[in-house]
Amino acid sequence: AQSVAQPEDQVNVAEGNPLTVKCTYSVSGNPYLFWYVQYPNRGLQFLLKYITGDNLVKGSYGFEAEFNKSQTSFHLKKPSALVSDSALYFCAVSFYSSASKIIFGSGTRLSIRP
Amino acid sequence: GAGVSQSPRYKVAKRGQDVALRCDPISGHVSLFWYQQALGQGPEFLTYFQNEAQLDKSGLPSDRFFAERPEGSVSTLKIQRTQQEDSAVYLCASSSQGLAVDEQYFGPGTRLTVT
Repeated sequence: AQSVAQPEDQVNVAEGNPLTVKCTYSVSGNPYLFWYVQYPNRGLQFLLKYITGDNLVKGSYGFEAEFNKSQTSFHLKKPSALVSDSALYFCAVSFYSSASKIIFGSGTRLSIRP
Repeated sequence: GAGVSQSPRYKVAKRGQDVALRCDPISGHVSLFWYQQALGQGPEFLTYFQNEAQLDKSGLPSDRFFAERPEGSVSTLKIQRTQQEDSAVYLCASSSQGLAVDEQYFGPGTRLTVT
Protein backbone atom coordinates (compact mmCIF):
# COMPACT_ATOMS: atom_id res chain seq x y z
CA ALA A 1 0.00 0.00 0.00
CA GLN A 2 1.11 3.54 -0.71
CA SER A 3 2.00 5.42 2.46
CA VAL A 4 3.97 8.26 3.96
CA ALA A 5 5.44 8.11 7.46
CA GLN A 6 6.62 10.91 9.68
CA PRO A 7 8.12 9.02 12.61
CA GLU A 8 8.37 11.99 14.96
CA ASP A 9 5.28 13.70 16.35
CA GLN A 10 7.40 16.55 17.69
CA VAL A 11 10.88 17.92 17.10
CA ASN A 12 12.43 20.42 19.48
CA VAL A 13 15.42 22.50 18.42
CA ALA A 14 17.22 25.54 19.85
CA GLU A 15 17.23 28.65 17.71
CA GLY A 16 20.31 28.81 15.51
CA ASN A 17 20.82 25.05 15.47
CA PRO A 18 20.25 22.88 12.40
CA LEU A 19 16.94 21.07 12.15
CA THR A 20 15.77 17.88 10.45
CA VAL A 21 12.20 16.67 10.07
CA LYS A 22 12.04 13.09 8.87
CA CYS A 23 9.82 11.56 6.19
CA THR A 24 9.85 8.12 4.62
CA TYR A 25 7.56 6.78 1.96
CA SER A 26 6.41 3.46 0.60
CA VAL A 27 5.13 3.63 -2.95
CA SER A 28 5.33 1.74 -6.19
CA GLY A 29 6.74 3.61 -9.14
CA ASN A 30 8.34 7.02 -9.06
CA PRO A 31 6.81 9.42 -6.57
CA TYR A 32 6.63 13.17 -6.48
CA LEU A 33 7.40 14.38 -2.96
CA PHE A 34 6.29 17.54 -1.22
CA TRP A 35 6.64 19.37 2.06
CA TYR A 36 3.89 21.65 3.33
CA VAL A 37 3.81 23.80 6.47
CA GLN A 38 0.78 24.74 8.56
CA TYR A 39 0.96 27.77 10.81
CA PRO A 40 -1.68 28.28 13.52
CA ASN A 41 -4.99 29.52 12.11
CA ARG A 42 -3.61 29.52 8.58
CA GLY A 43 -3.91 27.17 5.66
CA LEU A 44 -1.30 24.69 4.53
CA GLN A 45 1.47 26.32 2.53
CA PHE A 46 3.71 24.70 -0.04
CA LEU A 47 7.42 24.65 0.91
CA LEU A 48 9.17 22.58 -1.74
CA LYS A 49 8.90 19.55 -4.00
CA TYR A 50 11.00 16.87 -5.62
CA ILE A 51 10.13 15.76 -9.12
CA THR A 52 13.33 14.45 -10.67
CA GLY A 53 16.98 15.36 -11.04
CA ASP A 54 19.10 16.80 -8.26
CA ASN A 55 18.40 14.99 -5.02
CA LEU A 56 18.72 18.19 -2.98
CA VAL A 57 15.86 20.60 -3.50
CA LYS A 58 15.63 24.09 -2.07
CA GLY A 59 12.41 25.77 -1.07
CA SER A 60 10.87 28.68 0.77
CA TYR A 61 12.17 30.24 4.00
CA GLY A 62 15.62 28.63 3.69
CA PHE A 63 14.35 25.05 3.86
CA GLU A 64 15.76 22.24 1.77
CA ALA A 65 15.06 18.53 1.47
CA GLU A 66 17.11 15.58 0.34
CA PHE A 67 15.59 12.78 -1.70
CA ASN A 68 17.21 9.41 -0.99
CA LYS A 69 15.84 6.68 -3.24
CA SER A 70 17.68 3.79 -1.56
CA GLN A 71 16.36 4.77 1.86
CA THR A 72 12.99 5.94 0.48
CA SER A 73 13.33 9.12 2.49
CA PHE A 74 12.73 12.82 1.92
CA HIS A 75 13.92 14.59 5.07
CA LEU A 76 13.35 18.32 5.50
CA LYS A 77 16.33 20.34 6.70
CA LYS A 78 17.39 23.85 7.58
CA PRO A 79 20.93 24.87 8.59
CA SER A 80 19.88 27.42 11.22
CA ALA A 81 16.45 27.33 12.85
CA LEU A 82 14.38 30.41 13.64
CA VAL A 83 11.69 30.73 16.30
CA SER A 84 9.32 31.66 13.47
CA ASP A 85 9.84 28.20 11.95
CA SER A 86 7.71 26.73 14.73
CA ALA A 87 4.75 25.11 12.99
CA LEU A 88 3.26 21.81 11.86
CA TYR A 89 5.04 20.20 8.91
CA PHE A 90 3.54 17.65 6.53
CA CYS A 91 5.28 15.43 4.05
CA ALA A 92 3.16 14.38 1.04
CA VAL A 93 3.48 12.19 -2.04
CA SER A 94 1.72 12.10 -5.38
CA PHE A 95 2.05 9.85 -8.40
CA TYR A 96 2.48 10.41 -12.09
CA SER A 97 -0.37 8.09 -12.89
CA SER A 98 -2.98 9.86 -10.81
CA ALA A 99 -3.07 13.56 -10.13
CA SER A 100 -5.65 13.15 -7.44
CA LYS A 101 -3.84 10.70 -5.23
CA ILE A 102 -2.10 12.98 -2.78
CA ILE A 103 -1.17 11.19 0.42
CA PHE A 104 -0.14 13.22 3.45
CA GLY A 105 1.84 12.09 6.45
CA SER A 106 0.50 12.59 9.94
CA GLY A 107 2.58 15.70 10.55
CA THR A 108 5.48 16.72 12.77
CA ARG A 109 5.23 19.64 15.14
CA LEU A 110 8.45 21.66 15.06
CA SER A 111 9.15 23.76 18.13
CA ILE A 112 12.08 26.18 18.10
CA ARG A 113 13.08 27.55 21.50
CA PRO A 114 14.81 30.92 21.77
CA GLY B 1 -4.36 37.65 -6.77
CA ALA B 2 -6.55 36.27 -4.02
CA GLY B 3 -5.88 32.85 -2.61
CA VAL B 4 -8.30 30.04 -1.95
CA SER B 5 -11.16 31.09 0.28
CA GLN B 6 -13.60 28.95 2.21
CA SER B 7 -16.83 29.73 4.00
CA PRO B 8 -17.99 29.52 6.63
CA ARG B 9 -14.79 29.34 8.68
CA TYR B 10 -16.63 27.72 11.55
CA LYS B 11 -19.84 25.71 11.55
CA VAL B 12 -21.66 24.11 14.43
CA ALA B 13 -24.37 21.66 13.46
CA LYS B 14 -26.68 19.51 15.50
CA ARG B 15 -26.50 15.83 14.70
CA GLY B 16 -28.78 15.06 11.82
CA GLN B 17 -28.60 18.49 10.20
CA ASP B 18 -27.36 19.03 6.66
CA VAL B 19 -24.43 21.38 6.06
CA ALA B 20 -22.91 22.99 2.97
CA LEU B 21 -19.31 24.14 2.82
CA ARG B 22 -18.13 26.47 0.09
CA CYS B 23 -14.77 26.77 -1.63
CA ASP B 24 -13.62 29.55 -3.97
CA PRO B 25 -10.42 28.40 -5.68
CA ILE B 26 -7.78 30.59 -7.22
CA SER B 27 -9.16 32.02 -10.44
CA GLY B 28 -8.23 29.92 -13.46
CA HIS B 29 -7.12 26.89 -11.49
CA VAL B 30 -8.19 23.73 -13.23
CA SER B 31 -8.11 21.32 -10.31
CA LEU B 32 -9.90 21.44 -7.00
CA PHE B 33 -9.48 19.07 -4.07
CA TRP B 34 -11.36 18.50 -0.82
CA TYR B 35 -9.67 17.04 2.25
CA GLN B 36 -10.81 16.15 5.74
CA GLN B 37 -8.37 16.84 8.57
CA ALA B 38 -9.06 15.32 11.95
CA LEU B 39 -7.41 16.80 15.02
CA GLY B 40 -3.73 15.89 15.13
CA GLN B 41 -3.76 14.18 11.75
CA GLY B 42 -2.73 14.96 8.23
CA PRO B 43 -5.30 15.84 5.58
CA GLU B 44 -7.18 12.88 4.14
CA PHE B 45 -8.24 13.06 0.50
CA LEU B 46 -11.98 13.21 -0.12
CA THR B 47 -12.57 14.11 -3.75
CA TYR B 48 -11.05 15.78 -6.81
CA PHE B 49 -12.40 17.88 -9.68
CA GLN B 50 -10.82 18.78 -12.94
CA ASN B 51 -12.87 21.73 -14.16
CA GLU B 52 -16.47 20.66 -13.58
CA ALA B 53 -15.79 16.94 -13.79
CA GLN B 54 -15.50 14.99 -10.57
CA LEU B 55 -12.75 12.56 -11.51
CA ASP B 56 -12.19 10.88 -8.17
CA LYS B 57 -14.52 10.58 -5.21
CA SER B 58 -12.96 7.52 -3.69
CA GLY B 59 -12.21 9.29 -0.41
CA LEU B 60 -15.76 10.30 0.43
CA PRO B 61 -16.51 8.33 3.61
CA SER B 62 -20.18 7.65 2.95
CA ASP B 63 -23.05 8.49 0.64
CA ARG B 64 -23.95 11.31 3.02
CA PHE B 65 -21.08 13.27 1.50
CA PHE B 66 -21.60 14.95 -1.84
CA ALA B 67 -19.51 17.51 -3.73
CA GLU B 68 -20.13 19.55 -6.83
CA ARG B 69 -18.41 22.12 -9.00
CA PRO B 70 -21.04 22.87 -11.63
CA GLU B 71 -19.29 25.67 -13.52
CA GLY B 72 -15.73 24.61 -12.96
CA SER B 73 -14.94 27.27 -10.38
CA VAL B 74 -16.72 27.42 -6.99
CA SER B 75 -17.27 24.09 -5.27
CA THR B 76 -19.61 23.00 -2.52
CA LEU B 77 -19.16 20.05 -0.20
CA LYS B 78 -22.45 18.92 1.30
CA ILE B 79 -22.84 16.61 4.23
CA GLN B 80 -26.29 15.23 4.89
CA ARG B 81 -27.55 14.01 8.26
CA THR B 82 -24.32 14.99 10.03
CA GLN B 83 -22.86 12.64 12.61
CA GLN B 84 -20.40 13.37 15.42
CA GLU B 85 -17.64 11.57 13.55
CA ASP B 86 -17.96 14.19 10.79
CA SER B 87 -16.45 16.78 13.14
CA ALA B 88 -13.19 17.86 11.52
CA VAL B 89 -11.59 20.64 9.53
CA TYR B 90 -12.52 20.49 5.86
CA LEU B 91 -9.82 21.83 3.59
CA CYS B 92 -10.13 22.89 0.00
CA ALA B 93 -7.15 23.20 -2.34
CA SER B 94 -6.66 24.13 -5.96
CA SER B 95 -3.86 23.66 -8.44
CA SER B 96 -3.19 25.26 -11.77
CA GLN B 97 -2.95 22.36 -14.21
CA GLY B 98 -4.23 19.29 -12.47
CA LEU B 99 -0.95 17.46 -12.82
CA ALA B 100 0.58 15.27 -10.14
CA VAL B 101 3.65 17.54 -10.03
CA ASP B 102 1.65 20.67 -9.22
CA GLU B 103 1.77 22.14 -5.77
CA GLN B 104 -1.62 22.73 -4.21
CA TYR B 105 -2.84 25.98 -2.73
CA PHE B 106 -4.95 25.51 0.36
CA GLY B 107 -7.74 27.53 1.86
CA PRO B 108 -7.93 28.21 5.61
CA GLY B 109 -10.46 25.43 6.11
CA THR B 110 -13.90 25.13 7.63
CA ARG B 111 -14.01 23.73 11.15
CA LEU B 112 -17.16 21.64 11.49
CA THR B 113 -18.35 20.68 14.95
CA VAL B 114 -21.30 18.32 15.20
CA THR B 115 -23.01 18.32 18.59
